[in-house]
Amino acid sequence: GQQVMQIPQYQHVQEGEDFTTYCNSSTTLSNIQWYKQRPGGHPVFLIQLVKSGEVKKQKRLTFQFGEAKKNSSLHITATQTTDVGTYFCAGLLRGGADGLTFGKGTHLIIQP
Amino acid sequence: DGGITQSPKYLFRKEGQNVTLSCEQNLNHDAMYWYRQDPGQGLRLIYYSQIVNDFQKGDIAEGYSVSREKKESFPLTVTSAQKNPTAFYLCASRLAGGITDTQYFGPGTRLTVL
Repeated sequence: GQQVMQIPQYQHVQEGEDFTTYCNSSTTLSNIQWYKQRPGGHPVFLIQLVKSGEVKKQKRLTFQFGEAKKNSSLHITATQTTDVGTYFCAGLLRGGADGLTFGKGTHLIIQP
Repeated sequence: DGGITQSPKYLFRKEGQNVTLSCEQNLNHDAMYWYRQDPGQGLRLIYYSQIVNDFQKGDIAEGYSVSREKKESFPLTVTSAQKNPTAFYLCASRLAGGITDTQYFGPGTRLTVL
């Protein structure tokens, strides 16, 4: 069935190193969203990408949406301990009312 | 987040008992959703509702039931038919017809069935 795949599942980095998580869909997405979930918390919306090839930046975070609208990435430059958490991508596969289809998330672990 | 409340934060129940999880929002959002999160599994959609008195099954609706009698409320009942109910349950809402499809999540309820 339709699904959203996300890799890697876990990523250990040293503080200050860069981090990237990748998201791939089996079908074309209307848009893609990224969420961050801190340990013990709930997902919090980061950003939505809609246009083919779109790139958006939020301080040290860079989000990209592929030309075919089937893949996306989140890149964090010079990670900090506050970046710890799980990053989820979520795609709108069947229309907005159905709810998002989430990837399994990438757990970012930062070693000081 | 902000404007969506879920209670309780932690819930313990004995096997075979039905339990109802509360979700309330004051954001005037039309659509509401229930997700289940298991370790390493991401979020899976249980039920969703676009308007009052209407709801649809998600990907894993078996063993669950919902109601939407008021716009602000979307309670989820975990029935005894749910084979593995221990999980983290998240409620979310969305403003239908908005510019973005952003979903706002509540703080979640951690259900443990003993």
